[in-house]
Amino acid sequence: GENVEQHPSTLSVQEGDSAVIKCTYSDSASNYFPWYKQELGKGPQLIIDIRSNVGEKKDQRIAVTLNKTAKHFSLHITETQPEDSAVYFCAAQAAAGKSTFGDGTTLTVKP
Amino acid sequence: DGGITQSPKYLFRKEGQNVTLSCEQNLNHDAMYWYRQDPGQGLRLIYYSQIVNDFQKGDIAEGYSVSREKKESFPLTVTSAQKNPTAFYLCASSFQDPRRQFFGPGTRLTVL
Repeated sequence: GENVEQHPSTLSVQEGDSAVIKCTYSDSASNYFPWYKQELGKGPQLIIDIRSNVGEKKDQRIAVTLNKTAKHFSLHITETQPEDSAVYFCAAQAAAGKSTFGDGTTLTVKP
Repeated sequence: DGGITQSPKYLFRKEGQNVTLSCEQNLNHDAMYWYRQDPGQGLRLIYYSQIVNDFQKGDIAEGYSVSREKKESFPLTVTSAQKNPTAFYLCASSFQDPRRQFFGPGTRLTVL
């Protein structure tokens, strides 16, 4: 089955700096890659997603890049703010229904 | 308001008892999912359903059961056969396409 590895597990940045989180996947059939933000005690919230026919997608301060050949995708957050502090999860999905999640990255943005 | 709800937020049960977690959505989504989250780990898929009256096992289905009698509802039963049931349980729903999943607020189950 699909295996998703996410790095780093923790990331601390200064307010205003950029943050990058990387994920690799194993199943070449995966074609949908969402990113979620989870605040303490709450359910994850989708922040951006990308399909395999696109190499990059941007939404204001958040961007995702995908390298299908290398089977990795990354989340980029620019101009970080304290409210960006949360746990971020990547996921990979090959067929409708079964998403495999990474173990999460705890991002801390220091004021 | 459209959304996905889970109840209760906190649930305590004695060991050996079955317990059912509720998940309801009014987003008209076709597909619904149950995940388990343990501290410091990602989400693991328990069961999912793409249409009413049909569901498939996820990666960790042992000790759990589900039903999908209505499009809006996808309850999860944690049975006494689940060896380590204490966890945070998350329900999600999506259309078939696009496949963006929307999550509920979660139920924290503690088995004493």
